[in-house]
Amino acid sequence: NAGVTQTPKFQVLKTGQSMTLQCAQDMNHEYMSWYRQDPGMGLRLIHYSVGAGITDQGEVPNGYNVSRSTTEDFPLRLLSAAPSQTSVYFCASSTRSANRPEAFFGQGTRLTVV
Amino acid sequence: DAKTTQPNSMESNEEEPVHLPCNHSTISGTDYIHWYRQLPSQGPEYVIHGLTSNVNNRMASLAIAEDRKSSTLILHRATLRDAAVYYCTRDKLVFGAGTILRVKS
Repeated sequence: NAGVTQTPKFQVLKTGQSMTLQCAQDMNHEYMSWYRQDPGMGLRLIHYSVGAGITDQGEVPNGYNVSRSTTEDFPLRLLSAAPSQTSVYFCASSTRSANRPEAFFGQGTRLTVV
Repeated sequence: DAKTTQPNSMESNEEEPVHLPCNHSTISGTDYIHWYRQLPSQGPEYVIHGLTSNVNNRMASLAIAEDRKSSTLILHRATLRDAAVYYCTRDKLVFGAGTILRVKS
């Protein structure tokens, strides 16, 4: 059971480049979400999904797109990278069940935009 | 507003109990209270959750106020490995800045 897998672990982009951060979970969780964490800061919600085909914006969605075509995958797209998007990105998944509410996080993707 | 309020940082001595407070004054009657922690250079991990009653597990205890507007995460004997950022959340999605716990030997 791999849990939540994020790829890549590290990435350096030039300003203006695009890329996709991958997130996959093998626990059949309905909920998936993306966060960014800047140095010394807490987690800020970018986008989230409550099921395949359903996505919504979080606290800081500008500059990012998501889609959820399958239960397992929830990729995060940066259309035109900016230095302000330099951060550590975490993906999480959880069930809808109130009895098993714990969210599982990936190990993060450290992104640097130069 | 799904945000919670926590102190920025706390300090504890090793082997002593630690009480980490969280304010969630606008919580609804059906919202669970969740606690997570993030060790250095790792993703957050689940600690404990509760609705109305106090809860215990192998990692910690959760004390929930009778009016549910606040809760306290209790680490019974802090160790150096408990040094982390602790997050209190109402909905598993919005985490806030958390409390940095420093443990002194």
